[in-house]
Amino acid sequence: AQTVTQSQPEMSVQEAETVTLSCTYDTSESDYYLFWYKQPPSRQMILVIRQEAYKQQNATENRFSVNFQKAAKSFSLKISDSQLGDAAMYFCAYRTPYGTASKLTFGTGTRLQVTL
Amino acid sequence: NAGVTQTPKFQVLKTGQSMTLQCAQDMNHEYMSWYRQDPGMGLRLIHYSVGAGITDQGEVPNGYNVSRSTTEDFPLRLLSAAPSQTSVYFCASIKGGGLYGYTFGSGTRLTVV
Repeated sequence: AQTVTQSQPEMSVQEAETVTLSCTYDTSESDYYLFWYKQPPSRQMILVIRQEAYKQQNATENRFSVNFQKAAKSFSLKISDSQLGDAAMYFCAYRTPYGTASKLTFGTGTRLQVTL
Repeated sequence: NAGVTQTPKFQVLKTGQSMTLQCAQDMNHEYMSWYRQDPGMGLRLIHYSVGAGITDQGEVPNGYNVSRSTTEDFPLRLLSAAPSQTSVYFCASIKGGGLYGYTFGSGTRLTVV
């Protein structure tokens, strides 16, 4: 079974600075998808960024980018120019693309604080 | 284009009571799932469905039932509520294979006393 590990329960960053959230996963599959979700205090789950395992190029969405290291099974999220609105729980998630295995496996989350 | 609609948003139950959490999506998504979120444990899969009439168990199915009579609806039933079922519940749907992230409902905070 696939597992996702987020080893940083809490992180803090100053406004306008850069922070990196860590995620590692375990799988025997060669093709899969990885995601970062943001959960603000409103409780809504918001998709931040996604990565296809067969693509070597790291995904980027505005201030959010990932460092995907397939051999190391690592998928970290970098937030540049942090803003107060970035404060939230961040979940890393793994998904296989095939048939009935279309399930997301989540890590335990990292709570990000943004300070002035 | 409501997305995924969950009701109710909050619920308090007494131990032993039963209830149904409703979930509906209007995106014609094939896959629907129920997750529970507990502090320090992330989101864990309860049940999922790959289409009308087809359901399967996830990681933590005990104490919950589901059915999928239509593509749009995927209710979650608590048969006899227990304090261990106090949690935040999310319904989510996805179109199918490929690089799609799930669309989540806004969640239901359930407290069992």
